[in-house]
Amino acid sequence: GAGVSQSPSNKVTEKGKDVELRCDPISGHTALYWYRQRLGQGLEFLIYFQGNSAPDKSGLPSDRFSAERTGESVSTLTIQRTQQEDSAVYLCASSLGSSYNEQFFGPGTRLTVL
Amino acid sequence: DQQVKQNSPSLSVQEGRISILNCDYTNSMFDYFLWYKKYPAEGPTFLISISSIKDKNEDGRFTVFLNKSAKHLSLHIVPSQPGDSAVYFCAASEAFISGTYKYIFGTGTRLKVLA
Repeated sequence: GAGVSQSPSNKVTEKGKDVELRCDPISGHTALYWYRQRLGQGLEFLIYFQGNSAPDKSGLPSDRFSAERTGESVSTLTIQRTQQEDSAVYLCASSLGSSYNEQFFGPGTRLTVL
Repeated sequence: DQQVKQNSPSLSVQEGRISILNCDYTNSMFDYFLWYKKYPAEGPTFLISISSIKDKNEDGRFTVFLNKSAKHLSLHIVPSQPGDSAVYFCAASEAFISGTYKYIFGTGTRLKVLA
C-alpha cells in the first residue's frame, strides 16, 4: 500500500533500555510528524520535520527523546533510558507540505516499558 | 493545560439518528480545525476540516460547525451508521497566523452507533 507505515507495531522493553521506532511516510510527502498517545489521553505532538528546515522539537518531553529524518524519507524516533511513563502508542503522520494539508497517519507503534 | 478539550469521553446514538460531537478550545489564535476518526489498532484518518473564516463545512453526512466567539466546534453526523462507531478527535492549529502546522489534539470521544 501507499500509506504511512511504522515498525515495529508492538515493542515491549525493560526500563532503562533504549528503543528506536521507525516511520516510512508517504512518498512525496515533505512534512512528517511524530505524536504520542498515552492511555486515556489525546494525541500529544512531539516533533515536526518539514523538508530541509530545522525540525520543530518543541513537543519532545525530555532530552531522552530524539528523532531524525533522512531527507524526505524515513524517520526514526529514539527514546533513551526508557521509563514506564514512556509507555504509549507512538504515531507518525505525513502530509504534502508546509500548509494546512491533512495529515495521514500510520498505524502506530505500541510501546510498553516494564 | 489542555488547549483543546473534548469533554464527553463517550457517546451512544441510535442508528439513523444524529450524532453530535463537541470540542472546545482555549487558544483564540487557532484558525484551522480538523476532525479525525480512529478505529482500534489503526491510525487516525482525516474526516473534515474548517478554517476560521467559515462557520460551517459540509461533506456528505458530516458537517462541522465553528462558533469562534464561543471557541467551540461540533461535528454532526446524520444519519449515523454502525460503521461510524470509532473514536473521534478534534485538532486545532494556528496554521494561517503563525505558519505552524503543529496540531493540538483533544482527548477524543468514543462514538457508538447502536443498530
